[in-house]
Amino acid sequence: GQSLEQPSEVTAVEGAIVQINCTYQTSGFYGLSWYQQHDGGAPTFLSYNALDGLEETGRFSSFLSRSDSYGYLLLQELQMKDSASYFCAVRPSPPNDYKLSFGAGTTVTVRA
Amino acid sequence: DAGITQSPRHKVTETGTPVTLRCHQTENHRYMYWYRQDPGHGLRLIHYSYGVKDTDKGEVSDGYSVSRSKTEDFLLTLESATSSQTSVYFCAISKGQGGTNEQFFGPGTRLTVL
Repeated sequence: GQSLEQPSEVTAVEGAIVQINCTYQTSGFYGLSWYQQHDGGAPTFLSYNALDGLEETGRFSSFLSRSDSYGYLLLQELQMKDSASYFCAVRPSPPNDYKLSFGAGTTVTVRA
Repeated sequence: DAGITQSPRHKVTETGTPVTLRCHQTENHRYMYWYRQDPGHGLRLIHYSYGVKDTDKGEVSDGYSVSRSKTEDFLLTLESATSSQTSVYFCAISKGQGGTNEQFFGPGTRLTVL
């Protein structure tokens, strides 16, 4: 099975940088994804790391270290609209690679 | 937008009654999923489908059944609803033949069991 741990809450001011860590334990691992969910909305895909290193997508970047079973999502130049919950998700290795296991989520609150 | 709709969007029911939630997609994707979301638990997989009439259990399948008689529809049934099944239910699809790391979610159904 899989288990993922991430902080429950983070608060920061506009313009700041926030790093959301995710550690995982899994019996098989294909990659790590990140999803964003605004209050009352549906989760939406942000990024995916299959290989070690940093993936950058605009203000958001995601990092993976397979040897440390660890990844993080970096939110830069925070804006009020970034207030949301962020979930990491593990994609297992085949044959179950079409299923995702999600962490409990990190609520990010951006203050003016 | 992956053309996913869920119905109903909100439902209040009583303990012991059967409930069916519907997920409909317009793009004929093979993989469909039902999740429940509760505070402190993130998204937990209930059941999933990898084709018409092909379904399997997720991590929290007790008390739930599913059916998929057409590619576009994936139904989740609570045979006898309990208060512990009060939750927000999300349907999702995965594009591509082998499933992908990216899933697209429907708008959710908020279910309250009294």
